[in-house]
Amino acid sequence: NAGVTQTPKFQVLKTGQSMTLQCAQDMNHEYMSWYRQDPGMGLRLIHYSVGAGITDQGEVPNGYNVSRSTTEDFPLRLLSAAPSQTSVYFCASSYSSSGRSYEQYFGPGTRLTVT
Amino acid sequence: AQKVTQAQTEISVVEKEDVTLDCVYETRDTTYYLFWYKQPPSGELVFLIRRNSFDEQNEISGRYSWNFQKSTSSFNFTITASQVVDSAVYFCALSANEGGSQGNLIFGKGTKLSVKP
Repeated sequence: NAGVTQTPKFQVLKTGQSMTLQCAQDMNHEYMSWYRQDPGMGLRLIHYSVGAGITDQGEVPNGYNVSRSTTEDFPLRLLSAAPSQTSVYFCASSYSSSGRSYEQYFGPGTRLTVT
Repeated sequence: AQKVTQAQTEISVVEKEDVTLDCVYETRDTTYYLFWYKQPPSGELVFLIRRNSFDEQNEISGRYSWNFQKSTSSFNFTITASQVVDSAVYFCALSANEGGSQGNLIFGKGTKLSVKP
């Protein structure tokens, strides 16, 4: 099992450029999520998905889009990068059961710099 | 509203000292889950423990122990006989259904633990 994989590990963008951060998991988890980590802020939820075809917004969704066409993949799209989106991005997945919450397994992260 | 507070931003100890990391949470839900994660200097996030709101038993795993007290809304983490390898940022997190999906995690801002030899 590779667990949760993310690509790329590092990325530098210019303001206004778009890109997609890739996330994949091979644990057949229904729940997947994207977080951003900024110094002194902990991790904040951007978007999440409880299954293929279902996505929803988290705490800080502005400027980001997601889709979930398969159980395995959950890409995060930056539509028009801004310096405020400079951050470390983590993808996570977990088993899902109605009314219960399970530990999330995190990918290694993508460090994004927007200049 | 859900919230997790880790009041200790940074803690520095000398090897073999015991150290307790504090976590206070807020939620209106009666069913919720609490987690601790470790983020070593290499940057990955490592799951340590999950506890549900109906299980107030304390847990011990080797040098790690957790004290869950619903009366004070706290879920504190103690490392006994700390080692240099324990140096990391530790995050406490809460999952409840107030905001929608039960699976979503609300993280505290983390406590950076430095263990000096």
